[in-house]
Amino acid sequence: GENVEQHPSTLSVQEGDSAVIKCTYSDSASNYFPWYKQELGKRPQLIIDIRSNVGEKKDQRIAVTLNKTAKHFSLHITETQPEDSAVYFCAATPISGYSTLTFGKGTMLLVSP
Amino acid sequence: DVKVTQSSRYLVKRTGEKVFLECVQDMDHENMFWYRQDPGLGLRLIYFSYDVKMKEKGDIPEGYSVSREKKERFSLILESASTNQTSMYLCASSQNQPQHFGDGTRLSIL
Repeated sequence: GENVEQHPSTLSVQEGDSAVIKCTYSDSASNYFPWYKQELGKRPQLIIDIRSNVGEKKDQRIAVTLNKTAKHFSLHITETQPEDSAVYFCAATPISGYSTLTFGKGTMLLVSP
Repeated sequence: DVKVTQSSRYLVKRTGEKVFLECVQDMDHENMFWYRQDPGLGLRLIYFSYDVKMKEKGDIPEGYSVSREKKERFSLILESASTNQTSMYLCASSQNQPQHFGDGTRLSIL
């Protein structure tokens, strides 16, 4: 089955810096890669996703890049703000029918003012 | 907006009890999922269902069962609760992708 590795497990940055979280996956059939943000005490919420026919996707201050050859994808947050502090999860799956997501173990991002 | 509702935010039970966690979604989604979330371990899939009365084991099904009698409702059952089942339980639903999560139930087994 799929295995997703996520690094780093914790990341501390100063407000205004950029943050990068990296994930690798094992199943070459995976073609859908979402990123979820979970604030303390709240539900995981989708912030951005990418499908394997696209190499990069941006949404304001966040972007995701995908390298299918190397089987890795990354989340980039620019101009970080204290409200970006949360746990971020990457996931991967082949999109087929009722495909399930395999999640990374999460990255706790702390943005200091 | 998709709404996934879990019946309890916090629950305290005793070892050996039969525990029911309920989840309801309002978007007519085919797929529903139960995860447990533990610090440092991320989200691990317990069971999922792709149709009424259908269920599939996830990565950690031992000690759990599920029920899906109606499309909108997916129940997680701890047959005989044990202390190592103390955790945060998250329900999710989807129609293909992405998955939408509920607020979670923090379950403590004493």
